[in-house]
Amino acid sequence: NAGVMQNPRHLVRRRGQEARLRCSPMKGHSHVYWYRQLPEEGLKFMVYLQKENIIDESGMPKERFSAEFPKEGPSILRIQQVVRGDSAAYFCASSPGAVYNEQFFGPGTRLTVL
Amino acid sequence: KQEVTQIPAALSVPEGENLVLNCSFTDSAIYNLQWFRQDPGKGLTSLLLIQSSQREQTSGRLNASLDKSSGRSTLYIAASQPGDSATYLCAVISVQGAQKLVFGQGTRLTINP
Repeated sequence: NAGVMQNPRHLVRRRGQEARLRCSPMKGHSHVYWYRQLPEEGLKFMVYLQKENIIDESGMPKERFSAEFPKEGPSILRIQQVVRGDSAAYFCASSPGAVYNEQFFGPGTRLTVL
Repeated sequence: KQEVTQIPAALSVPEGENLVLNCSFTDSAIYNLQWFRQDPGKGLTSLLLIQSSQREQTSGRLNASLDKSSGRSTLYIAASQPGDSATYLCAVISVQGAQKLVFGQGTRLTINP
C-alpha cells in the first residue's frame, strides 16, 4: 500500500507565477489535510478536505491560496501570484475517516520563490 | 485556542541512554495526540497515536504516555541509537479544532556515538 504521494518534491517559481502542488492520499483514505512549514517555524494547518468538499479552510490565507479535492484525481493546493514569503515546505496528510484516525504524511513539496 | 509546547527544544545525549521528551498542551479537551519524527529535509513519520481515552502506547523502544487532565504527554526512548537522531514533533487534535493537528515546535534530538 503506497503511502501519501506528493509532487513535485521541489518547485521553484518566480514572484508572480502560479504554483500547483499535488497530493495523492493513501489508498482508502478520503480525508486530506494540507500543512505548511515555514523556515524555522512549526507546522501549521491550512485546509481540510474530503472528496469534492472543503471542510475547514481556517488556516489558509484568504487571498491567492485555494485547494480542491475532486472526485477523481489528486488534491491540489494552488498558490497564485507567489511571493517570497510563500517559500516553505508544504505537507499533505491523509486519514481514512474521523478524528480518531491517525494522519499519515507525505514527503512534502519544497517551494522556493525567487 | 490550543497551544502545544515541547521541552527541551534541543537535546544531545550519548548513545545507549534512555531519554524523555516532553509535550504539553493548553486545552485538555482533545481527541488524540500523535508523536512524529522528522528527518532533515524529509516528511513526517508517525510514531505513535494515543486516543484521549488511553494512557499510553508502545512501539518497540518507544513509549508514549498521555495525562489528558494535566495537558501533558511524554515520549520515552529506550537504549537510544544514532539513528534516532531527528526532530520529534508532538501534535494534538482538539475537540474544538475539527480534525486539524496542532503541532509543537519540536525537540531536535542528537544521539552521539
